[in-house]
Amino acid sequence: QQPVQSPQAVILREGEDAVINCSSSKALYSVHWYRQKHGEAPVFLMILLKGGEQKGHEKISASFNEKKQQSSLYLTASQLSYSGTYFCGTEIPQETSGSRLTFGEGTQLTVNP
Amino acid sequence: SAVISQKPSRDICQRGTSLTIQCQVDSQVTMMFWYRQQPGQSLTLIATANQGSEATYESGFVIDKFPISRPNLTFSTLTVSNMSPEDSSIYLCSVTLWTHAYEQYFGPGTRLTVT
Repeated sequence: QQPVQSPQAVILREGEDAVINCSSSKALYSVHWYRQKHGEAPVFLMILLKGGEQKGHEKISASFNEKKQQSSLYLTASQLSYSGTYFCGTEIPQETSGSRLTFGEGTQLTVNP
Repeated sequence: SAVISQKPSRDICQRGTSLTIQCQVDSQVTMMFWYRQQPGQSLTLIATANQGSEATYESGFVIDKFPISRPNLTFSTLTVSNMSPEDSSIYLCSVTLWTHAYEQYFGPGTRLTVT
């Protein structure tokens, strides 16, 4: 039950905004967002728990619509450092202790000067 | 947060051989995971490494091919056995401090090429 991300790729000019979407066919416990730069490990950005909350820091924020089983990542006034591949990871409630993430295919974001 | 190191960082191996990848964390963690990532693709979970017991494998991954050990709360190994070119990939160790709604920290990865 891999989540579906859209768009697959986006190219921006510095200062422009972008939205990356993540949707699941299953009810979600939480949604996680990670960014991975080429040749590096994924880096945690934020986690959203069910409840429709919105989180953010500086110019990167995210929302989680539990009913629609969707999450969106918002990047405003993009900077060159935002370039990379963004992955959403979805956590589905499980009966056994502990749970695990299933990652989407990723969205490649390129910010040009 | 947690600082994770992996050894080796990369290796080139011959078909039919095995490679053991080590994952060391600078603090005790609750859960440890092993992922595989083909270049330009998503992260695929291989298994959850359980301390003191057998690992929990995802569909499509078996213990004979990917034996995992986790002798304590800070260390784990993944062995890729009887390798074939299809095993060429980046293998990542990941840890978390909690069992639910956790943030994961990833190691730098091991780039494996099988010839």
